[in-house]
Amino acid sequence: DADVTQTPRNRITKTGKRIMLECSQTKGHDRMYWYRQDPGLGLRLIYYSFDVKDINKGEISDGYSVSRQAQAKFSLSLESAIPNQTALYFCATSDPGHTTGELFFGEGSRLTVL
Amino acid sequence: KQEVTQIPAALSVPEGENLVLNCSFTDSAIYNLQWFRQDPGKGLTSLLLIQSSQREQTSGRLNASLDKSSGRSTLYIAASQPGDSATYLCAVNSNSGYALNFGKGTSLLVTP
Repeated sequence: DADVTQTPRNRITKTGKRIMLECSQTKGHDRMYWYRQDPGLGLRLIYYSFDVKDINKGEISDGYSVSRQAQAKFSLSLESAIPNQTALYFCATSDPGHTTGELFFGEGSRLTVL
Repeated sequence: KQEVTQIPAALSVPEGENLVLNCSFTDSAIYNLQWFRQDPGKGLTSLLLIQSSQREQTSGRLNASLDKSSGRSTLYIAASQPGDSATYLCAVNSNSGYALNFGKGTSLLVTP
């Protein structure tokens, strides 16, 4: 089983719908992240969390919200999806000590908003 | 804001060649630098992580170097194989420590 699991892997939805992408990890890491990837733009940080009570906005948080339900779970919500949120979304974790800071990624969730 | 640039954007080489991918960053105050591989439509696989105090890291046919003072890192791939075809991403963990800044990647094609 993957250390960082994202669900769903693929989702097609319509403009205005609420969407939740879920992430769970078995690495025991405190830090979790949501990124989105767009062709030609690279990966951009949406939200990050250093522990259950710590949530922070990233570079492109508008239109998104997150919930850290437990150390191992971090979900991303699109309250009212719009077509320019069509992208590949990645969840990632990093080790708790920050002595290495190595990031581990999930397989991605491909979201299409029509 | 840390800016990360990767050159070239795309590269095609015949099998067996040695090759170098380049990554540059604007702020030399970094914690570490990480190289990833991404296959089409897939997640990112960590290849090498170089701490700010290190000059290079090696894993099999891969060697990554770091020169903080010049804001550069290189990923050297020896004896390239078709299975190396993928996009390679460079990411810098700045001293703010909270997240990585990614380059846009180099798309590598190794032809048989």
